[in-house]
Amino acid sequence: RKEVEQDPGPFNVPEGATVAFNCTYSNSASQSFFWYRQDCRKEPKLLMSVYSSGNEDGRFTAQLNRASQYISLLIRDSKLSDSATYLCVVDGGSYIPTFGRGTSLIVHP
Amino acid sequence: GAVVSQHPSRVICKSGTSVKIECRSLDFQATTMFWYRQFPKQSLMLMATSNEGSKATYEQGVEKDKFLINHASLTLSTLTVTSAHPEDSSFYICSARSDRGDQPQHFGDGTRLSIL
Repeated sequence: RKEVEQDPGPFNVPEGATVAFNCTYSNSASQSFFWYRQDCRKEPKLLMSVYSSGNEDGRFTAQLNRASQYISLLIRDSKLSDSATYLCVVDGGSYIPTFGRGTSLIVHP
Repeated sequence: GAVVSQHPSRVICKSGTSVKIECRSLDFQATTMFWYRQFPKQSLMLMATSNEGSKATYEQGVEKDKFLINHASLTLSTLTVTSAHPEDSSFYICSARSDRGDQPQHFGDGTRLSIL
């Protein structure tokens, strides 16, 4: 089993839709979780950290489920500019971050 | 927010050339820096982790004599691709993180390396 798994997609949604991604991790000792977005041929940019209590930043909500070992990202009211690859990052228990392969999102008019 | 500068952004050179890439944290002290490479349509692959003042830790399958990493200060790490060959052509990205392991890493803009 891979350490961090994501559905590669693509998720193809219309503008205004709500879309959710999950990311599962195998190391139960993991402590830190993050979502990044990566645009084509660009570097990843931090979208948000994921806290145990869940957190929200505008249209984006991140949640952590330790019992089932997954984190989620919910995007409400999707914009065309949200089209990107969303990377889940989990620390490997020794603070070496592990990336998922990413989930591709395409928002169309 | 935290800023990481990576230079150069694009390199095109002949086979056999050594290429040096710099990664600088501009507004924070980066205890740990990471070097990744990414092939088209593939995920980021961690090459090595470097901590200031100590030798880098390389991931399995990454040749340390091929990819020389130096992390001489809390704001600068360098990756040198020695005697580069066409198969080394890739997108190389560095990231930096402060001394707390629960902090996110911040990425440089990446270096697109093309070896002819």
